[in-house]
Amino acid sequence: EIVMTQTPLSLTVTLGQSASISCRSSQNFVHSDGSIYLSWLHQRPGQPPRLLLHKISDRFSGVPDRFSGSGAGTDFTLTISRVEAEDVGVYYCMQGTHFPHTFGGGTKVEIK
Amino acid sequence: EVQLLESGGGLVQPGGSLRLSCAGSGFAFDFSAMSWVRQAPGKGLEWVSAISADSRGREYADSVRGRFTISRDNAQNTLYLQMNSLRVEDTGFYYCAKRYGGAKDYWGQGTLVTVSS
Repeated sequence: EIVMTQTPLSLTVTLGQSASISCRSSQNFVHSDGSIYLSWLHQRPGQPPRLLLHKISDRFSGVPDRFSGSGAGTDFTLTISRVEAEDVGVYYCMQGTHFPHTFGGGTKVEIK
Repeated sequence: EVQLLESGGGLVQPGGSLRLSCAGSGFAFDFSAMSWVRQAPGKGLEWVSAISADSRGREYADSVRGRFTISRDNAQNTLYLQMNSLRVEDTGFYYCAKRYGGAKDYWGQGTLVTVSS
C-alpha cells in the first residue's frame, strides 16, 4: 500500500496571501499509461469532498486558477494563491494509480 | 448535472448487515467506473472499494475484503455496497464517487452508517 503523508496538519492563512500544502508518497506511482494519478480534493465542513486537481496539476472543471499543483516522483505540492474565505476546510491528496487508492491524512486550512 | 444519491445507511448492531445504494444521473453511468469511500466521524478519507463500468473489475480495501461486496445495475444506474459482519470501526459516512481516470470527480452527499450495540 502506498502511504500518502501530508504536511502541515493545519495551516492558518491571511486573506489574500498564499498557502502551500505538501504531499509525500512512500513510493513512486506511475501508471502503465505513463500518468501519475495524484489528485487534490477540498472538503468544507459538513460537505462531501470535491475534486480540485488531477494528474498533479490539471484543474478540474470550474476550479479557479488560484489553485495550482506541482511535483514529481514522490513529492507534490498544492498551492492556493490569493486565499479567499471560501477556501477554509480540509485538503486531501490522493493517489489513484494503484489499488488500494490512498489518501493523505488531510490538512486543515483556517483563515486568520 | 451529475448527481449521485446514496441511501441505505442507518444504525446496525455489530455483526449485522446493511446494503447501501447510490443512484447516479446526469452522466453515462454504464460507462463509468465507480468507487465507495468512507469517512469515520472527525477523521480522514478511506477508500473502500471500486468497480469497473462492466463489473468485471472489483477491488477492495484489506479492511473490508471478505465482508463487503460491491456491485452495480447499469440498467438502473445504481451502485451498491453490501456490507456484512459489520464492526464498530465501520462506522462513518459512506460516499459513492464517480471515477475520472485516476481521480474521483463527483461525489454524493454520503450516507451515515453507525455500528453500535
